[in-house]
Amino acid sequence: SQTIHQWPATLVQPVGSPLSLECTVEGTSNPNLYWYRQAAGRGLQLLFYSVGIGQISSEVPQNLSASRPQDRQFILSSKKLLLSDSGFYLCAWTSGVGSTDTQYFGPGTRLTVL
Amino acid sequence: TQLLEQSPQFLSIQEGENLTVYCNSSSVFSSLQWYRQEPGEGPVLLVTVVTGGEVKKLKRLTFQFGDARKDSSLHITAAQPGDTGLYLCAGARDYKLSFGAGTTVTVRA
Repeated sequence: SQTIHQWPATLVQPVGSPLSLECTVEGTSNPNLYWYRQAAGRGLQLLFYSVGIGQISSEVPQNLSASRPQDRQFILSSKKLLLSDSGFYLCAWTSGVGSTDTQYFGPGTRLTVL
Repeated sequence: TQLLEQSPQFLSIQEGENLTVYCNSSSVFSSLQWYRQEPGEGPVLLVTVVTGGEVKKLKRLTFQFGDARKDSSLHITAAQPGDTGLYLCAGARDYKLSFGAGTTVTVRA
């Protein structure tokens, strides 16, 4: 069966510090991978998605970047965090390109920038 | 700007009552998905509707997709405290999902 991991679960960082969040998927090959950010009790904002190694599409211009160094690994980074980067970050995967494909979400990372 | 508008934003009802959540858009989607999210966890898929006019039932939950594939609704019959959570609709196009802002449902015992 497939599993998606995210770490860390919780992170508190000072403004101006770097960031690296990691997401890995097990039990599937060549997944489509996604990074979302969610404000408290609100919907999900798509940040980046990737349909293959080294292929990254950015949805929202911002202080963040993403990389996919391996087939089942997706990394979200920042060189200098802003207060507005605080939120709940979710990684998700799908198995194909069909519009009915389920997105499977990881447990999320709660980031607080102080 | 949110592609999908969900209403209401908050809903608090007594156990046993019915509720409906709406999801509207000016855009056409290939499919529409409904997710439920518990605090501190990722969303979990409830249902996917694909065909305009489609109705799907999942126990006490009924999902409708509008004829023009722009809007959807989620109806819960005889709500229970276990139905409490954040309900999110998401429209699918290409590789991506566009999410609504969510409806927080609280069912009081």
